[in-house]
Amino acid sequence: EAQLVQSGAEVKEPGESLRLSCKGLEYSFISYYISWVRQMPGKGLEWMGRIDPRDSQTKYSPSFQGHVSISADKSSSTVYLEWSSLKASDSAIYYCARDGSGTLYYGMDVWGQGTTVTVSS
Amino acid sequence: LLTQSPATLSVPPGERVTLSCRASQNIYSKLVWYQQKPGRAPRLLIYDVSTRATGIPARFSGSRSGTDFTLTISSLQSEDFGIYFCQQYNNWPRTFGQGTKVDIK
Repeated sequence: EAQLVQSGAEVKEPGESLRLSCKGLEYSFISYYISWVRQMPGKGLEWMGRIDPRDSQTKYSPSFQGHVSISADKSSSTVYLEWSSLKASDSAIYYCARDGSGTLYYGMDVWGQGTTVTVSS
Repeated sequence: LLTQSPATLSVPPGERVTLSCRASQNIYSKLVWYQQKPGRAPRLLIYDVSTRATGIPARFSGSRSGTDFTLTISSLQSEDFGIYFCQQYNNWPRTFGQGTKVDIK
């Protein structure tokens, strides 16, 4: 069964950097896009961006472009979400999700367990 | 923009439930539904408006009329509580509705 396993919870101070990871297991990692989705406390879901693990081509939501970076390492079947300078407003749960394959799309069908990020001084 | 309604509903087991998701523009049939339970990741229910994802019970169904989309639970079960989100994939960026919370009465 396909799985996405995310790194553990993080507590950071404003201005610090952070990288979250999402490892794909039990499926062909390079065959599917991976998206990151933010959920702020008590709020809905926000799509942040997507990466194609085959060639690391990315697409970002304008709301997140320039503030986060998504990358992939095919050799370890891992996708990353990275900040260079965190803000308190980045406190949220972050999910990675498998998000389609080539021209086929059937929703985000496999989700990671989520990583809670707390940014506070 | 996707607008879901109602924001919350409380329904006894066995009742029929209808959730709405209205798109502000034509998104064709490029709509997905998810269920999220407290403390859990979302779960894919339906894609392409009406195709159930693997393992999703037949009591869940989806439909479309123009830019109005509906998720129907034919007979609510106790395990169906949670928040239901719609998501479009016709335009970039992908966007979600704000969610409908379903409580079991």
